[in-house]
Amino acid sequence: DTGVSQDPRHKITKRGQNVTFRCDPISEHNRLYWYRQTLGQGPEFLTYFQNEAQLEKSRLLSDRFSAERPKGSFSTLEIQRTEQGDSAMYLCASSYRAFGFNEQFFGPGTRLTVL
Amino acid sequence: AQTVTQSQPEMSVQEAETVTLSCTYDTSENNYYLFWYKQPPSRQMILVIRQEAYKQQNATENRFSVNFQKAAKSFSLKISDSQLGDTAMYFCAFMKHEVSSNTGKLIFGQGTTLQVKP
Repeated sequence: DTGVSQDPRHKITKRGQNVTFRCDPISEHNRLYWYRQTLGQGPEFLTYFQNEAQLEKSRLLSDRFSAERPKGSFSTLEIQRTEQGDSAMYLCASSYRAFGFNEQFFGPGTRLTVL
Repeated sequence: AQTVTQSQPEMSVQEAETVTLSCTYDTSENNYYLFWYKQPPSRQMILVIRQEAYKQQNATENRFSVNFQKAAKSFSLKISDSQLGDTAMYFCAFMKHEVSSNTGKLIFGQGTTLQVKP
């Protein structure tokens, strides 16, 4: 399977714990995006990388959130001191930056439940 | 800031019939893309159709077509000959064109849940 993969698919944690999610983009894709989707809503942009550089962060991304993309390959999203409001589906998408339209391909998401 | 609004939280259609999902958006940009994404239950989101704002011709992909009204900032999706596999949540989304944004981030509407009934 050469699509975008995310791990884990589900994560249940207690309030105050730290969690880390991983995203593996399609191999030749140089752009990687993180979105958050709460139940019954559309995804909201969190942050994006071009290669290893994090070029934009949403105001939704509080200082408890950090994302990395070492070597421009996979990416991790860490949430520290989780809160119940962090419960959501976290989606990763990747695309290839080139002239013209670049389709984003989405992963299956990581569903986070904070108890 | 750009916003995307889908005013129909839920819709249903009989198999083989036609259904139209509505979307309006707000932007001051002149160059942009509009999309419809499909998110089946417990499955990943996939692109259904896209429209470049500079193109007057409405996009079509097999049974899926759009009605793009740039002046009205309206972008509806028509699904013809609905199939059971079309049951999903559908999101309308906006993206600035590359010439005005180097981000490529998508701005989504709230979604419309479509149920196709046998």
